[in-house]
Amino acid sequence: SSELTQDPAVSVALGQTVRITCQGDSLRSYYASWYQQKPGQAPVLVIYGKNNRPSGIPDRFSGSSSGNTASLTITGAQAEDEADYYCNSRDSSGNLYVVFGGGTKLTVL
Amino acid sequence: EVQLVESGGGLVQPGRSLRLSCAASGFTFDDYAMHWVRQAPGKGLEWVSGISWNSGSIGYADSVKGRFTISRDNAKNSLYLQMNSLRAEDTALYYCAKDMSIAARGDFDYWGQGTLVTVSS
Repeated sequence: SSELTQDPAVSVALGQTVRITCQGDSLRSYYASWYQQKPGQAPVLVIYGKNNRPSGIPDRFSGSSSGNTASLTITGAQAEDEADYYCNSRDSSGNLYVVFGGGTKLTVL
Repeated sequence: EVQLVESGGGLVQPGRSLRLSCAASGFTFDDYAMHWVRQAPGKGLEWVSGISWNSGSIGYADSVKGRFTISRDNAKNSLYLQMNSLRAEDTALYYCAKDMSIAARGDFDYWGQGTLVTVSS
């Protein structure tokens, strides 16, 4: 099965732009989805597909992909964006198998 | 309003079994694949298992293959996870998650609040 790799922690100054990355072979075949998780809460989908935001997700969240790397960009980070962020995708085997990245803890300074 | 409500968690001894349930409402259940995702205390998300809309396609994480069985009852709008031969490392909060597609694309747009499974003697 494939693996997805994320940096464990990233920080950003309030109002600045931050990019969180996710690397893995499966991303050459499938788009990543991105989830935000705050302490004590269930994850929330923030980006899916090429660069799609579910209803209610602010447009400061965007996604992109190149080769084996997917990125989540927050343009103008807000204090409420401080959270854990996880990527996931289907495994490239073609079987029903989903992989998650290890997560990135985002700190807004 | 989409709702996913998990139940069936609890304290269980190693080697024993437990069956989790997820009651879905607010959407046409048999139009979507469904999944179980778990999160051990203080750890990241781990996909456990997924099932397509008609149970025709099923997958398991390597860590649970052969021990866990996923199923669904579209008439009851319910998802299940039968967990056998439980181990301490299965201790986690288990989430039920709705896929955005019928065939399990892996985009989870709704999540329940989770049910806690603790495996300990």
